Amino acid sequence: EPEVTQTPSHQVTQMGQEVILRCVPISNHLYFYWYRQILGQKVEFLVSFYNNEISEKSEIFDDQFSVERPDGSNFTLKIRSTKLEDSAMYFCASSDQHSNQPQHFGDGTRLSIL
Amino acid sequence: SQQGEEDPQALSIQEGENATMNCSYKTSINNLQWYRQNSGRGLVHLILIRSNEREKHSGRLRVTLDTSKKSSSLLITASRAADTASYFCATTWNDYKLSFGAGTTVTVRA
Repeated sequence: EPEVTQTPSHQVTQMGQEVILRCVPISNHLYFYWYRQILGQKVEFLVSFYNNEISEKSEIFDDQFSVERPDGSNFTLKIRSTKLEDSAMYFCASSDQHSNQPQHFGDGTRLSIL
Repeated sequence: SQQGEEDPQALSIQEGENATMNCSYKTSINNLQWYRQNSGRGLVHLILIRSNEREKHSGRLRVTLDTSKKSSSLLITASRAADTASYFCATTWNDYKLSFGAGTTVTVRA
């Protein structure tokens, strides 16, 4: 069965450094999402992406965050200058339709900011 | 916020027993989805129930939706050790982003 894959599984970065989290969504999917889960807290929506542009973003997704689909397969989340509070699990998801279709999640990247 | 909230927070049952968990939400929805998360892993989609549906089944899973009470339940029948996980409900509205609850942690004892 097709899967969403994320790399790396664990990223350790010094505060202030840039980090890029990578995702390969399911190949025929058109809608892409990033979520994060701070340890012990709820899964929170960050951003949705369709047709090469952001369709919606949350308050968390400030100017330090950006997303890109650099080619036909990858979907990346960049954090420009990481803060301690960016430490979390980051999940990528994709779906083939926006409405009434499940979102399929990757296993996540654990981001640790030192 | 239309986030779902699960109840109970934690549930411990014997293998073979049924597990029931509930989810309440605040606003109108397009659909409600249930996900499972094993420790340290991603979210696995279990069932999607649309706002005009009242009940859905998938294998040992049964989901109900009561839009008048803004609540849903997930029943796992004949539980197995492999069902040990956290279970989350998530709702969508016009924006289609998922709004998650805090989850129910289910432990199935052998």
